Amino acid sequence: GEDVEQSLFLSVREGDSSVINCTYTDSSSTYLYWYKQEPGAGLQLLTYIFSNMDMKQDQRLTVLLNKKDKHLSLRIADTQTGDSAIYFCAEIGSGYALNFGKGTSLLVTP
Amino acid sequence: NAGVMQNPRHLVRRRGQEARLRCSPMKGHSHVYWYRQLPEEGLKFMVYLQKENIIDESGMPKERFSAEFPKEGPSILRIQQVVRGDSAAYFCASSRDRLGTDTQYFGPGTRLTVL
Repeated sequence: GEDVEQSLFLSVREGDSSVINCTYTDSSSTYLYWYKQEPGAGLQLLTYIFSNMDMKQDQRLTVLLNKKDKHLSLRIADTQTGDSAIYFCAEIGSGYALNFGKGTSLLVTP
Repeated sequence: NAGVMQNPRHLVRRRGQEARLRCSPMKGHSHVYWYRQLPEEGLKFMVYLQKENIIDESGMPKERFSAEFPKEGPSILRIQQVVRGDSAAYFCASSRDRLGTDTQYFGPGTRLTVL
């Protein structure tokens, strides 16, 4: 199947910006998503971007998409300790199913 | 509007027993998806159902696993004769329309432990 790759771990200090990166291989991806998972919980949809967009901003979150390089990033401004979680990148192409990366564990330290 | 509901939240079974996982989609959603998350892995698609129909079960193991979404009631993921390798978190998601025109919203998951 098509691959979605993410770095496994990121540590930032409270108040700094966090940037979580994702690469994918499916050239037919139509939508790309970012989900947040806190320990023992389900997935919370954070934001998504359509493949013909370059950028989407939603409060502290900024999503950048480089379709040529198949690279997606999520920037969290003014990162707080409550942002500590696992962040999953996911894409969907012409099928029915979301294709997820393995997740990036974000640790925010005081 | 309640979100996607799953029960039980935690399920413990011994090897060889059956596990039944339930999912009630969000109100107004007629598309249900099941995913499995193994420890320290991302979610893997299992099956996509609409009311009374299995649309895509390409991610389901060929044996022991089955899913349904009846006209009335929740969607059920059934695992017969469970083995230790079935231990995982099982997530259900729902959408109003087919994904791509609408977004999938996830339930809290059922964490299955096989002893």
